[in-house]
Amino acid sequence: AQTVTQSQPEMSVQEAETVTLSCTYDTSESDYYLFWYKQPPSRQMILVIRQEAYKQQNATENRFSVNFQKAAKSFSLKISDSQLGDAAMYFCAYTGQGGSEKLVFGKGMKLTVNP
Amino acid sequence: DGGITQSPKYLFRKEGQNVTLSCEQNLNHDAMYWYRQDPGQGLRLIYYSQIVNDFQKGDIAEGYSVSREKKESFPLTVTSAQKNPTAFYLCASSIRGVLGTYGYTFGSGTRLTVV
Repeated sequence: AQTVTQSQPEMSVQEAETVTLSCTYDTSESDYYLFWYKQPPSRQMILVIRQEAYKQQNATENRFSVNFQKAAKSFSLKISDSQLGDAAMYFCAYTGQGGSEKLVFGKGMKLTVNP
Repeated sequence: DGGITQSPKYLFRKEGQNVTLSCEQNLNHDAMYWYRQDPGQGLRLIYYSQIVNDFQKGDIAEGYSVSREKKESFPLTVTSAQKNPTAFYLCASSIRGVLGTYGYTFGSGTRLTVV
């Protein structure tokens, strides 16, 4: 079964600085999708970024970018120019290419942004 | 605007009662999911449905039941057999396009508390 591991339960960053959130996963599939979701205090889950495994190019969305290392099964999220609104729980998630689209989530990481 | 509506936002259950959590979507998504969120546990899949009148158990289905009589609706019943139902429940939906899956759209969640 696929598993997703977020080894750091909490991190903090100074406003305007850069922070990297780590995520590793385990799968025997060659084609799959990876996601980062953000859950602010409102508890609404928000999609941050999506990566397709067959694409070698790392996905970027404004201040958010990923470092996707397929061989190492690593999928880290870099947040540049951190803002107070980035404070949230962040979840890494995986789904395979075939069959259902059900996501497997990591346990999450709480990011604190200090002014 | 399209989206997913979960109701109620807060729900209180007495011991031995069954309660039903509502989830409705107007996104025309085929697949719908129920997750349970506990502190430090991430999101764990309870049930999912890829098509009307069909659904599958997730990782923690014991004590829960679902139905999928309409594409738009996927209610979750927490039965008296669920021994520890106090948690935050999230409903989600997804669609697979020509470019693959785009991940989930989430509802705003229901907080269930046993009193």
